[in-house]
Amino acid sequence: GAGVSQSPSNKVTEKGKDVELRCDPISGHTALYWYRQRLGQGLEFLIYFQGNSAPDKSGLPSDRFSAERTGESVSTLTIQRTQQEDSAVYLCASKASGSSNEKLFFGSGTQLSVL
Amino acid sequence: GNSVTQMEGPVTLSEEAFLTINCTYTATGYPSLFWYVQYPGEGLQLLLKATKADDKGSNKGFEATYRKETTSFHLEKGSVQVSDSAVYFCALMSGGSNYKLTFGKGTLLTVNP
Repeated sequence: GAGVSQSPSNKVTEKGKDVELRCDPISGHTALYWYRQRLGQGLEFLIYFQGNSAPDKSGLPSDRFSAERTGESVSTLTIQRTQQEDSAVYLCASKASGSSNEKLFFGSGTQLSVL
Repeated sequence: GNSVTQMEGPVTLSEEAFLTINCTYTATGYPSLFWYVQYPGEGLQLLLKATKADDKGSNKGFEATYRKETTSFHLEKGSVQVSDSAVYFCALMSGGSNYKLTFGKGTLLTVNP
């Protein structure tokens, strides 16, 4: 596609339910990031995938959070047993191999609201 | 650890006014500094960057100078337009993690005609 696509754009869920967020990166982009932005806060790094290397999961806030990516395609971020503090905008970004590390292409995000 | 502090918004200006959005940082080593912009309904995109002290990044009439002595990277534009209305994020990348950006909270700018 032309850009990074995220779905759904909005998700409302009840506390304790699991949610799955999807990111379609730009075709051919080898690097993929997940960030989140809670209200009034800066973007927080969650996880980084680069090709077939082991992902950098150092930003995942708890073991309720997990993410997968198969090869250089779609990624899913799963949050189990959601809590109200998980409410945030979840942003995905991708980057082409060989381009500067700051040249990320971001999606428009998924607004997650946990009631 | 790394951190970025930018001025609280929202900022509201009239067209052709001068813009400054302050940004200061704390980082290990010698970071690269960036401004990203998010227009309504779109994803963040890189606006400008500076990779070493005294460098000036510029794009679309915006400028920011990397000031090591004051650990700052303030964004400026001499004459804003309505189309500049957006959220602006200051960010840095530093040291051993050369792929991980640290962002500020973002500053919402609204420019009125």
